[in-house]
Parts: sequence; C-alpha cells; structure tokens
Amino acid sequence: GAGVSQTPSNKVTEKGKYVELRCDPISGHTALYWYRQSLGQGPEFLIYFQGTGAADDSGLPNDRFFAVRPEGSVSTLKIQRTERGDSAVYLCASSPTSGGRTDTQYFGPGTRLTVL
Amino acid sequence: ELKVEQNPLFLSMQEGKNYTIYCNYSTTSDRLYWYRQDPGKSLESLFVLLSNGAVKQEGRLMASLDTKARLSTLHITAAVHDLSATYFCAVVPLNYGGSQGNLIFGKGTKLSVKP
Repeated sequence: GAGVSQTPSNKVTEKGKYVELRCDPISGHTALYWYRQSLGQGPEFLIYFQGTGAADDSGLPNDRFFAVRPEGSVSTLKIQRTERGDSAVYLCASSPTSGGRTDTQYFGPGTRLTVL
Repeated sequence: ELKVEQNPLFLSMQEGKNYTIYCNYSTTSDRLYWYRQDPGKSLESLFVLLSNGAVKQEGRLMASLDTKARLSTLHITAAVHDLSATYFCAVVPLNYGGSQGNLIFGKGTKLSVKP
C-alpha cells in the first residue's frame, strides 16, 4: 500500500520568505508527526497531531513555525520569515492509534529545505 | 532533560565480524524503536521493543531491551556490506498517562561494513 508522501522533495527559498511543506499520511492513521533532521543528527520532534488537533506542539522552535491538519488527514507545516538556520530535512511520520497509544511511526521521504 | 545516547557514533567493521551498538536513555519509557536510514533516504522501522527483556531478531540483526538499566542493544552478526547505513534508536517518553507518541532519537550510529 501507499506509504507516507511528502511534497515537495526539495525546496530552495530565500531568507525571509514563507514556505509550506505538505505531508500525506498513510490512510487511516490518526496520528501524524513532524520532525526536523539536521545533517549528522537524529530527527528532532516538532509537533504531533491526533486527528485534527495538535496534541503536542512543544517541539516547534518559535512562532514562525505553524502546522495544520484541518481534516485529520493531510498536514501542512508552515514556516514564516525563513532563516538560514531553518535549513534541514523535514520529516513527516504517521502511525495508527489503539487503546490511546500510538504505534510504530512510518516515515515519509522528507522535504529538504534550503534557505539561502 | 531527556537524553538518548548511542555509542559508538561511527563504526567501521569487516564483513563477517560481529559487533554491538548500545543505546542508553534517561527517561522512563516502555517502548523503544530501532530505525535504519540509508544516505539521502528516510527512516525504515526495524524493531519495536515493548517490555523488559524483549528480544527481536531479523536476519543478522538482533535487538534487546533492559528497561531497568534503560539500555537497548543492537547486535550485528556476521556483517555484510548491505548493512551499511545509519542506525537510530528512539524512545517514547512516558508522560501524561502514556499517550504521547513523539519519539526522542539518539544521534545515530553510522555503520560501514567493508569487504
């Protein structure tokens, strides 16, 4: 079956611009996560959705970052006034939920964001 | 502060040899994951360990979990070149009744298997 998909695969933007990154999770997965991975590091948690609501946004670095999941499926990560330090691979993952616990997270291919 | 520490961070080994990667974590957790990442690719789930003493094996890889010591190991048996990749361990911290799902990752162990 189809896995997690992310678009675009690569995004190059200029400092100060606005970008949107899209994630399409595995069908039926209620939980959706955004992570950010810098070169040579493990992924760092940004935000977690359970259905349409953000259950935990404690990983968002500042108020330039925002994410939505209006219909409980596709999610968009939005970054305003991009900075060079935002350059990284942004990973999306989804997982099923049962008994109030989330299960194994399946990751998408990522969006490589480069801020010039 | 929640920490997940892996060692070694870099591992170069000969084909046919055995080695173990270690993952220590500082938070209470009841599940630990191992992922594999090939260069330029996303993360592939290898194992999920759900209880103390859990052991899982897939091919030349075997993972174990000791929740009391907050330690997981990934053992490689008779390594082959195809195992060259970066391996991450990750834990789900137990917060707020355990329903949180966000993963805390280690920095990864970059494995290179040479013929």
